[in-house]
Amino acid sequence: DAGITQSPRHKVTETGTPVTLRCHQTENHRYMYWYRQDPGHGLRLIHYSYGVKDTDKGEVSDGYSVSRSKTEDFLLTLESATSSQTSVYFCAISDRASGNEQFFGPGTRLTVL
Amino acid sequence: TQLLEQSPQFLSIQEGENLTVYCNSSSVFSSLQWYRQEPGEGPVLLVTVVTGGEVKKLKRLTFQFGDARKDSSLHITAAQPGDTGLYLCAGPADSGGSNYKLTFGKGTLLTVNP
Repeated sequence: DAGITQSPRHKVTETGTPVTLRCHQTENHRYMYWYRQDPGHGLRLIHYSYGVKDTDKGEVSDGYSVSRSKTEDFLLTLESATSSQTSVYFCAISDRASGNEQFFGPGTRLTVL
Repeated sequence: TQLLEQSPQFLSIQEGENLTVYCNSSSVFSSLQWYRQEPGEGPVLLVTVVTGGEVKKLKRLTFQFGDARKDSSLHITAAQPGDTGLYLCAGPADSGGSNYKLTFGKGTLLTVNP
């Protein structure tokens, strides 16, 4: 199994509070991704990174920001959490630009009250 | 972003039955991947198909990539309860662009009853 951990695994927070989710990898993979998974919507890309300090937006990036100061860590921040951001968040990593296989972390279940 | 449509959305069958699930698009994909996600876990890659008409087998699972590279199917023979999960297809998000971003279908949720 690829070495990917996510923390926390579960979090309950209140509307308006900032929240940071962490993804840590031990595989030295170049690419890292944050997805959210919701019933009826499948997996949707929030942000991704193609190297240290190199990030870009995915299809549902509004209300989220990311940072990658080290190869192994990719942080997802909800600046001011809203109930619509209640979801399961997955981090993924990959290391090939073609025929791309992504390895996923175990997920973080976030509830915004 | 290229779109992938999966059908059926839900499938509940008895152990021992055969089934096929589908992944379709109006776009041509350079490759398609199939992932399986078990409850409470992240998706895990099952297979990647890259050539039109390609057939790959993984034990009781048979994957096919359409000749035109716009669709793919997953056939399971003699399904077992351990096959229960969400089956996702995925392909490069941008036609002609970089391949490190994927777009996912919404998945088929398979339940195999003992």
